[in-house]
Amino acid sequence: AQSVTQPDIHITVSEGASLELRCNYSYGATPYLFWYVQSPGQGLQLLLKYFSGDTLVQGIKGFEAEFKRSQSSFNLRKPSVHWSDAAEYFCAVGDGGGFKTIFGAGTRLFVKA
Amino acid sequence: GAGVSQSPRYKVAKRGQDVALRCDPISGHVSLFWYQQALGQGPEFLTYFQNEAQLDKSGLPSDRFFAERPEGSVSTLKIQRTQQEDSAVYLCASSLGVGREIRTDTQYFGPGTRLTVL
Repeated sequence: AQSVTQPDIHITVSEGASLELRCNYSYGATPYLFWYVQSPGQGLQLLLKYFSGDTLVQGIKGFEAEFKRSQSSFNLRKPSVHWSDAAEYFCAVGDGGGFKTIFGAGTRLFVKA
Repeated sequence: GAGVSQSPRYKVAKRGQDVALRCDPISGHVSLFWYQQALGQGPEFLTYFQNEAQLDKSGLPSDRFFAERPEGSVSTLKIQRTQQEDSAVYLCASSLGVGREIRTDTQYFGPGTRLTVL
C-alpha cells in the first residue's frame, strides 16, 4: 500500500534562510506527488504537483520540489523563507488506481526573525 | 469566485448525538472528496463523489458514517451516534476533473468543520 513519510515533525528556519522539507513515499509505479500548505484557520492549498516529465517542479510562492525515484523522495525547497511561510506542510501521494490521496503527517515550519 | 465552503465551522456534540456537516463545492466541480484530519495528523480520505455518484467510500471508518450528494452539488457528511474518537476536523475538497484526470487534478479545500465530541 502507498504511504508517505515526513521525517521532520517541525523545523525552525531563520527568515531569509533556505528551506528543505523532506518527503519519502512508498509506491510501486510512477507516483502522483503533491505538496500542500495549511495555514491556521485556512484550508489546504496546493503548492505544486508532479506526475510526469521534468523531475524539478516549480510551484507557487517560490517553492520547488524535486522527484528522485532512486531515493523515493519528493523534497520541497525554497531559497529564501519569509515569515509568512510559517505553516504546516503536507506531502501527499495519489492512488494511481483509485481516487484516494494519501497524506503524510505534516511538517510544521516555524520562521524566526 | 467563491471557494469551497463548509458549515458549521465548529460543532460540539454530546456522545451519542447525530451530526450533519455540509459542504458547498466550487460551482461546476464534478468531483467532491471528504477527509478526516485528527489533531497533529494529515488528512485521511473518507469518500469520493463524481456528481451524485459515490464511487469510493472505502475510507469511511464505520457504518455510523454516511455521505450523500443527491443533486451533484452540495454534499452532507452525517455521523450517527457520535463517539469521542470522531473528534477531528472534517475537510471537504472539490475538483473539476473526472476519470483519469482526477489523479492529477487540483483539489480545492474548504476551511473544514471542527467536530468535538464530549
